[in-house]
Amino acid sequence: AQKVTQAQTEISVVEKEDVTLDCVYETRDTTYYLFWYKQPPSGELVFLIRRNSFDEQNEISGRYSWNFQKSTSSFNFTITASQVVDSAVYFCALSLHNAGNMLTFGGGTRLMVKP
Amino acid sequence: DVKVTQSSRYLVKRTGEKVFLECVQDMDHENMFWYRQDPGLGLRLIYFSYDVKMKEKGDIPEGYSVSREKKERFSLILESASTNQTSMYLCASGGGGPSNNEQFFGPGTRLTVL
Repeated sequence: AQKVTQAQTEISVVEKEDVTLDCVYETRDTTYYLFWYKQPPSGELVFLIRRNSFDEQNEISGRYSWNFQKSTSSFNFTITASQVVDSAVYFCALSLHNAGNMLTFGGGTRLMVKP
Repeated sequence: DVKVTQSSRYLVKRTGEKVFLECVQDMDHENMFWYRQDPGLGLRLIYFSYDVKMKEKGDIPEGYSVSREKKERFSLILESASTNQTSMYLCASGGGGPSNNEQFFGPGTRLTVL
C-alpha cells in the first residue's frame, strides 16, 4: 500500500522568508503521480501541481517551486518570498497509474505567514 | 469554470439522526469521492464511485453509505449519526482514464453531531 508523510505539521514564518514544505512518499509502483493542494481558510482544496514519476525535472511557477527526487522518494514544495496570503494548509498526495483518480493524502502542513 | 458544490457549509445534527450530505459537479466527471478531514490525519477516503449506481469502499466506510443515481450527484449518508462522525466532509470529482487523475474539490461541509 502507498503512503504519504508530511512530517511538518505546522510551520510559522515571517513575510518574505522562503519556506520549504516536505513530502515523502512510499509506493512499490513504478508509474505514479504526485500532487500538491492548498487549502485556504475558506476550506476548498485548490490544485497546485501534478508530476508523473517519469518526469524528475524541477518546476517553477512564480514564487512556487517543486523539487521531485525519486532517489529519496521526496516531492518538496518551496515558497519564495512568502506572503500572508500563502497562509493555508498544504497537502501532498499520491495517485497510482490506472487507479482511477484515487489519491492518498499526507497529513497536511499548516503554514502561517506573519506580517 | 469548474464547479463542485456541496449542499451545506455547516450542519448540526443529533446522535442517531440520519444525515444526508449532497454533492453536485458540473464537469461531466465519471469519478466522484467523499473524504473526511480531521486534524493531523489529512483526508481519508470514505467512498468513491466510478459510474452511476457504482460505489466502492474507501479506507473508512464504516458508519457511512453512498448513493449515485445520476452522474452529476453523489450523496453521502450517515445512517445513524454518532459524535465520532463530527468532522469536515469534502466531496471531489475527477475525469476517467489512467492519467486524468486530478481531483476537483467542493468547499466542504463541517458536520457537528451532538
